[in-house]
Amino acid sequence: AQKVTQAQTEISVVEKEDVTLDCVYETRDTTYYLFWYKQPPSGELVFLIRRNSFDEQNEISGRYSWNFQKSTSSFNFTITASQVVDSAVYFCALNGGFKTIFGAGTRLFVKA
Amino acid sequence: DAGITQSPRHKVTETGTPVTLRCHQTENHRYMYWYRQDPGHGLRLIHYSYGVKDTDKGEVSDGYSVSRSKTEDFLLTLESATSSQTSVYFCAISESTGLEKLFFGSGTQLSVL
Repeated sequence: AQKVTQAQTEISVVEKEDVTLDCVYETRDTTYYLFWYKQPPSGELVFLIRRNSFDEQNEISGRYSWNFQKSTSSFNFTITASQVVDSAVYFCALNGGFKTIFGAGTRLFVKA
Repeated sequence: DAGITQSPRHKVTETGTPVTLRCHQTENHRYMYWYRQDPGHGLRLIHYSYGVKDTDKGEVSDGYSVSRSKTEDFLLTLESATSSQTSVYFCAISESTGLEKLFFGSGTQLSVL
């Protein structure tokens, strides 16, 4: 069975702080894909990143970075110098074959 | 933006009544999904489709059925709605392999009284 765990239910930070959102996954598949999605207060779901299980290189996109560690089954997401616009619910997700399974999400509050 | 339309956007219904939610896409994507979003549970997969008339169950399929008679339409039916099915329902689509990112519709807020 596949499972995604986001242990942090809510995180509150002050603007310009760095924040890391944790994601731990379980799967028996050798080939799988990991994702992060963002859901701002407006409610839409926005894709952020997709990584496959064979690519453990960290990725950086502007203020966002992702750390994929197969040894610990983790795919953590860091926002550097957070901004109020980063306030949202963030979902980690796993796809091992045609179905994407989501974690419960982490709600991030960034205060000015 | 991906062309995905969910209808209705909001619905209030009574326990025991049938309800059908519609997802329409203009992207010609093979895979379509129905998720429900509830506080503390994130997004849970109800059913998905990998082609016309090809569907399969997800994590929380009890009480729901789906149909896909055309590539562009994926219907979710609650045969006899219950209060536990009050939720926000999202449709999503994915390209050819089902391993790509998901594009989501705007969601349907369903309240079962």
